[in-house]
Amino acid sequence: GAGVSQSPSNKVTEKGKDVELRCDPISGHTALYWYRQSLGQGLEFLIYFQGNSAPDKSGLPSDRFSAERTGGSVSTLTIQRTQQEDSAVYLCASSLNKLAGGSEQFFGPGTRLTVL
Amino acid sequence: RKEVEQDPGPFNVPEGATVAFNCTYSNSASQSFFWYRQDCRKEPKLLMSVYSSGNEDGRFTAQLNRASQYISLLIRDSKLSDSATYLCVVKGWRNQGGKLIFGQGTELSVKP
Repeated sequence: GAGVSQSPSNKVTEKGKDVELRCDPISGHTALYWYRQSLGQGLEFLIYFQGNSAPDKSGLPSDRFSAERTGGSVSTLTIQRTQQEDSAVYLCASSLNKLAGGSEQFFGPGTRLTVL
Repeated sequence: RKEVEQDPGPFNVPEGATVAFNCTYSNSASQSFFWYRQDCRKEPKLLMSVYSSGNEDGRFTAQLNRASQYISLLIRDSKLSDSATYLCVVKGWRNQGGKLIFGQGTELSVKP
């Protein structure tokens, strides 16, 4: 079956521009997560959505970052006024239920963002 | 102090070797524990969950020591295809929801 998909796979932008990254979770998965992985760094949690609950935005590094999830499915991560330190691979993951102790998170292939 | 800390690596081992990775976590209220595998320029994939009783999956054995807040992964009879980065992962405690907290990863390179 189809896994988590993300687009674009690569994005090169100029400093100061806005970018939108898209995530299509696995059909039926109610929880959706965004992480980022910078060069030489571990994966860093950004935000997650669970059903109709208010999202947990505790990992967003600044107010330039925002995300939404429309209709409980597709999610868009927006970075405004991009900075060079935003360069990273942005990974989306989905799972059946965030509250289930062993519920596996399935990751998409990521979007590699380069800010020049 | 990082929330999840791992051996820095890299580990360079010959085929057939046994290799062990260690990991410690800082929050004693953490609920679930995992090892993920990440191949170069690919997304992480779940290798195995880790239980207090220890669990084994073929050549892979994972152990959890809650008292010491310590997690380990043992790979026996290593194969070339085991070359990857191994990520120690802790699932957030009760007020942290389902977010995963990742260690920096340990790179393994298995040589012929």
